[in-house]
Amino acid sequence: EDKVVQSPLSLVVHEGDTVTLNCSYEVTNFRSLLWYKQEKKAPTFLFMLTSSGIEKKSGRLSSILDKKELFSILNITATQTGDSAVYLCAHENSNSGYALNFGKGTSLLVTP
Amino acid sequence: NAGVMQNPRHLVRRRGQEARLRCSPMKGHSHVYWYRQLPEEGLKFMVYLQKENIIDESGMPKERFSAEFPKEGPSILRIQQVVRGDSAAYFCASSPSLYSGNTIYFGEGSWLTVV
Repeated sequence: EDKVVQSPLSLVVHEGDTVTLNCSYEVTNFRSLLWYKQEKKAPTFLFMLTSSGIEKKSGRLSSILDKKELFSILNITATQTGDSAVYLCAHENSNSGYALNFGKGTSLLVTP
Repeated sequence: NAGVMQNPRHLVRRRGQEARLRCSPMKGHSHVYWYRQLPEEGLKFMVYLQKENIIDESGMPKERFSAEFPKEGPSILRIQQVVRGDSAAYFCASSPSLYSGNTIYFGEGSWLTVV
């Protein structure tokens, strides 16, 4: 059975800190790994990763995939209170891409 | 351009009642997906529909749950004879074509509480 495991489950940091969120996976038929941000409402897309070692970047957020070690990390630098959210990692299966397989998420709280 | 619209946002039902959750996909999107998020769990795929067709319902519980996406109107997720374990957030998502990568958009969810 495909598994997506995120760690830590929750994290509290101060504004300005840098955080690293982890996502490991054991899956068959890998197509991509996706990161979403969920703030008590619709999960919003952050990154899609398909190739190892290629960093995706958007402002203070960046993510990278390691297909050999089967994990991805999401980095957030100079955190702000607006970064407080649940960050979701999901695997896209090449056989049934619509049935995304999500981890439980990492709940990040950034305090002033 | 409105996003994926779900209603109601919050619904309270007594055990044994029926719950109906509605989802209007983004304009131009003909593919709809329903996910369920139980407390302390990740989102779990339930069903994938196109207009008037159920494509994949492998994630739907075998009993009491049904989904439809009629030719006109929103997609509906129907839960009959609700039980406490059905309390969860139900998310709808849509895409313009068969989902791939970052072309899927989620609604804000419908939170069902069964008392």
